[in-house]
This record gives sequence, structure tokens and C-alpha cells, in this order.
Amino acid sequence: QSVLTQPPSASGTPGQRVTISCSGSSSNIGNDNAYWYQQLPGAAPKLLIYNDNQRPSGVPDRFSGSKSGTSASLAISGLRSEDEADYYCVGWDGSLSAYVFGTGTKVTVL
Amino acid sequence: EVQLVESGGGIVQPGGSLRLSCAASGFRFSNYWMHWVRQAPGKGLAWVSRINIGGSRIDYADSVKGRFTISRDDAKSTLFLQMNSLRAEDTAIYYCIKDAFGPRDFWGQGTPVTVSS
Repeated sequence: QSVLTQPPSASGTPGQRVTISCSGSSSNIGNDNAYWYQQLPGAAPKLLIYNDNQRPSGVPDRFSGSKSGTSASLAISGLRSEDEADYYCVGWDGSLSAYVFGTGTKVTVL
Repeated sequence: EVQLVESGGGIVQPGGSLRLSCAASGFRFSNYWMHWVRQAPGKGLAWVSRINIGGSRIDYADSVKGRFTISRDDAKSTLFLQMNSLRAEDTAIYYCIKDAFGPRDFWGQGTPVTVSS
């Protein structure tokens, strides 16, 4: 059972803004960085956000990350059909001495 | 060009063992932390283990602690995952990752492991 909770699904029409939450605790998100991955069908995951709100080179600025207390969020603005994928948050849990992934959110573009 | 090629996956009976390998090229393997992450069929991602530069710091998920062993051979630019006492719930695609969670992380394509009688 994951210690990081995400909504199972989110959706929007092209051009809309979609936000995905990641709820953790003081032993993980509340005390260390949050990261976000995108996984397209049949592909390996791709890092979208590191250190709460930093984008790796090549990731469009439509993707943004934020954090408040023990929760992190990923926002996708200007939603596009190619954004239809599964999204996962992840963080280091100091109590477990392990990285923990969120439960995952499937984004659908209507 | 960075490449990570996993191998060693397959079908094994419960209680059996497998040794996964991850051959790295295109970067200085010895300079990076390496991780294993797995994904069960139709399920989410699950972190498995990591090893630091030099191999002096190793961490495991609780679900594999005591059964799996991560190691590295810097001379051969290869990462390993020795998996013992395998269970049905270990069935997954296993990914090898360079510098996971950093701006230059890189994932292999994964190797499938099926634990079934």
C-alpha cells in the first residue's frame, strides 16, 4: 500500500488546466523533495518535475510542480492530446529509508 | 548515447531465484547512483532498491528486504539485482535507472519477471 495518495483519474478538454494532487506525510513529502513522472502507454516513465518544481531540460513549461506542507501538486496547462498518460509522484521517505511512489493518476483528454 | 540494457528476466517458480543485469554504456557508470524500479502488470510503479557511487550505501523497499540484493561492477559498467525467495507478487517489469529522480535520469526499457508455478 502506497504512502503517497493520488486521485485515480483526472480529465480535461484540450487547452484546459488540470491539476493532480499527491498527499503524503511529514516523513516524506513534508520533509524532502517531490518528483513527478509521466508514463505513456507501453513506455518507460519520463521525469517531468524534480526538486518540487524544477523541470528537466526538454520538458515543456506547460508542466509545473508545487508543494505545500505534506502535499505536492502537478499542473498541466494548455492540455494536449499527447498528455494523455499516467502520472506518478514520488518522494524519499525518511522513516522507511526508501523512495515511495504515489498511487498514480490517469489523465484523459476529452 | 546513454544506454541501459536489462537482461536476466524470465519465468521462475515461487521460491526460486533470478539474477537481473543492467549493462550501461554512453556514460561513466561509476559516477552515478543506480536504482531498480518495478511495475506489476496493470499496476503502478514501485521503487525496489538503490546503490550509491562505490557501493557503500544500499537501500531496499520493505517488500524485498532480505530477499533481494543489489550490487554493481564498475569495471564492467553493470548493475545487478539478485532476487531470491521469489513470490507471485514479485511478478513485474523491472527497470534499471541511472541517477533516478535527477534532471538527467535515464531508464532502461525493462526486463519482465514472472513468478508462477
